[in-house]
Amino acid sequence: GAVVSQHPSRVICKSGTSVKIECRSLDFQATTMFWYRQFPKQSLMLMATSNEGSKATYEQGVEKDKFLINHASLTLSTLTVTSAHPEDSSFYICSATNDGVTGTNEQFFGPGTRLTVL
Amino acid sequence: GDSVTQMEGPVTLSEEAFLTINCTYTATGYPSLFWYVQYPGEGLQLLLKATKADDKGSNKGFEATYRKETTSFHLEKGSVQVSDSAVYFCALKAGGFKTIFGAGTRLFVKA
Repeated sequence: GAVVSQHPSRVICKSGTSVKIECRSLDFQATTMFWYRQFPKQSLMLMATSNEGSKATYEQGVEKDKFLINHASLTLSTLTVTSAHPEDSSFYICSATNDGVTGTNEQFFGPGTRLTVL
Repeated sequence: GDSVTQMEGPVTLSEEAFLTINCTYTATGYPSLFWYVQYPGEGLQLLLKATKADDKGSNKGFEATYRKETTSFHLEKGSVQVSDSAVYFCALKAGGFKTIFGAGTRLFVKA
């Protein structure tokens, strides 16, 4: 099946620094990528939807300037957490969809990135 | 708005026991319903899905039936194995690309 990777899998940073997380579709071209945030024992919360070459669509309550999303190619999307603070510590998961091949809009998920801000 | 409610875990079972994880939903229109599974250290994988009322999704011995009258999509398996230990997410997609997830239910299966 389709594979989505994330890098890094874990990152620890100091408060005030920026962190970039990469999401790659390894064996298909992702027309749309999604970024989720997951708190302990809670649901995945959709943060934003991005289409290659266009601006991301952010969910209500998600700060665009805080969480910068770039989807520069059909296989790569990045999430940058700017000026990170301890409350940004969370598990970030990306997913990608490939309408063209499956026609079912099935989402393929990355393994997630654990961000800890000290 | 649209939402998914699933039973809290963790659920602990012995091998070969019967599994039910309850899931109910609230949605406008006619959503597609999904169960995803997340094994330790891995991403979410689609386990099964159903796209209309009375459809039954099945995979790897798991089944779930789309019940419109009770707005439910309960996950069942007749005989669980240790390898089924994972977190299970019920989800719906009511249109467009947005998928809404339940909180997840962690399953532990003891040998």
